[in-house]
Amino acid sequence: DAGVTQSPTHLIKTRGQQVTLRCSPISGHKSVSWYQQVLGQGPQFIFQYYEKEERGRGNFPDRFSARQFPNYSSELNVNALLLGDSALYLCASSLDSPVSGNTIYFGEGSWLTVV
Amino acid sequence: AQRVTQPEKLLSVFKGAPVELKCNYSYSGSPELFWYVQYSRQRLQLLLRHISRESIKGFTADLNKGETSFHLKKPFAQEEDSAMYYCALSGGGSQGNLIFGKGTKLSVKP
Repeated sequence: DAGVTQSPTHLIKTRGQQVTLRCSPISGHKSVSWYQQVLGQGPQFIFQYYEKEERGRGNFPDRFSARQFPNYSSELNVNALLLGDSALYLCASSLDSPVSGNTIYFGEGSWLTVV
Repeated sequence: AQRVTQPEKLLSVFKGAPVELKCNYSYSGSPELFWYVQYSRQRLQLLLRHISRESIKGFTADLNKGETSFHLKKPFAQEEDSAMYYCALSGGGSQGNLIFGKGTKLSVKP
């Protein structure tokens, strides 16, 4: 059984550009979350989606947006990229509704470098 | 404010020695606490959660609400335990998102 899959694995963008990161949850999982991990820090929560609806949002600017599709896959979009957006972006999925108690499974992440 | 603190960036021990990775948290309710581990070139994965009260790979962690701590312990470290360890809390409710500490890199020397 495939785990959480993310694409692309690595990408380089220029300041001011826009980026779209993609995530496919584990089969049967309906909840997807996004985290940003800056070098030397722990992951920081960005968004959580369940059944295609946003269920949680972290302390990130409006340049960050996301959505979940009918097949439960998800995209994270970041507009007007800044150098500080350079990070590993992690997607995580869980089986059911986003309440505490559900085990969260992480993907390998998408490394974004902004130059 | 909700916060997880891992005071040690790096912890180095010899094989067979006891290990304790410290984690303190700040949360005004009843959080659920977790330890996640990331081995070299692998994805972040759940090691254990306080609600399960189980031992995984010889590791245990006890939630101490009085000291707001959730330290990870293992009596005899193995070389394969070398990894990055993250303590995290979930505030519960309808979100279930995780708040992570900065992580502690455990290095077990032969």
